[in-house]
Order: sequence, then C-alpha cells, then structure tokens
Amino acid sequence: KAGVTQTPRYLIKTRGQQVTLSCSPISGHRSVSWYQQTPGQGLQFLFEYFSETQRNKGNFPGRFSGRQFSNSRSEMNVSTLELGDSALYLCASSQGAWNTEAFFGQGTRLTVV
Amino acid sequence: GIQVEQSPPDLILQEGANSTLRCNFSDSVNNLQWFHQNPWGQLINLFYIPSGTKQNGRLSATTVATERYSLLYISSSQTTDSGVYFCAVQETGANNLFFGTGTRLTVIP
Repeated sequence: KAGVTQTPRYLIKTRGQQVTLSCSPISGHRSVSWYQQTPGQGLQFLFEYFSETQRNKGNFPGRFSGRQFSNSRSEMNVSTLELGDSALYLCASSQGAWNTEAFFGQGTRLTVV
Repeated sequence: GIQVEQSPPDLILQEGANSTLRCNFSDSVNNLQWFHQNPWGQLINLFYIPSGTKQNGRLSATTVATERYSLLYISSSQTTDSGVYFCAVQETGANNLFFGTGTRLTVIP
C-alpha cells in the first residue's frame, strides 16, 4: 500500500509569488491535514479536509488556503509569499472522520528568497 | 488548543543506554501519537496510544490519559535512534494534531 505522497519535495520561490503544494493520501483515507514546521514555531496545524470539506483551520492568515478533490487528493496554496513562509510543509492522511491515526508524507521544503 | 509539553528538550546518550521521554498535555484527549522525525523531515509513526501500554521491539509507550501524560521508553539505544521525537494529541471529534516541541535525542557510539 503506497504511503502519503507530497509533491514537489523542494521548492524555491521569490517573495510575492504564489505556490501550490500537492498531497495524495493513502488509498481509502478521506481526511487530509496540513502542517507547517519552522525552527521558531515548531509544528503548527494549518487546516484539515474531510470528504472535500474544510473542517478545521489553524491560526494562519488568509494567504494560506487549500482544497480537497473527490479522490481525496489535496492541494494547499500560499499567495503573496513572504520570507517567513519558508518552512517544511507536511501533509497527513487519516482513514476515519475523527480521532484516527495520522500518517505523514515526506514533506515539501519551501524556501522563499 | 491543547498545550503539549515534552521533556527533556535535549538528551545525549551513550549507545546501549536506556531513556525515558515524557509528554504532558493540558486537556483530555482522544488520541495520542509518538513520532520520530528522520533527517529528511518525515514523521515516522512509532505509536498510536490513546491509553495503556504498547511495545514494539526496543521501544515501548505508556499513556495515562486520566493524569494527562505519556511516556516513551527507548531501551538499548542505537545511533540510528538519533533524531527528534514528537508527541502529538487530538481533541475529541477532530483529526488535527497538537504537537509538542520535541525531544532531540543524540546517541553517541
């Protein structure tokens, strides 16, 4: 069974640009969550999607958005990139609607210059 | 959200030694997971342990939900155990995780 797949693995963008990251969950998993990891703030929750609906959102500005498709694949978008958006972005998939084990992808390392 | 504290923040061990990592959380939870972050950044699942005790080889974990803490035991440590260990919890009725700040373990030969 394939794990969680995130693309791309590495990305370099310029301030002001926008970026889209992709996450394919484990087959059969309907919940996808996104997290940002930085040295200063640690691992922080961005948002969670279940059956194409955003159910929870963390404390991030509106420049951060996401969506989930009918095949459970998810994308997150960051518009008007800032230097502080440089981070490791991790995606997790879970099978059930709540309180189920989360499995993480390898992450996308975004550098904003 | 739920506050999660991990201790110690850093731990240096001689190969073969045993260690205990602690995770305290501020509210009742319905799920607790332990992860090991590899050098490339991926979070590797160690335990899904809302309560009770589980063992997997040299690793074991215990969660006492009523007292809001969990412990991760590593026995006979190896250099490959080095890395950052995270504890993460979920509130009731949600899938999003609240993470601790991690314990950075260094095992020296």
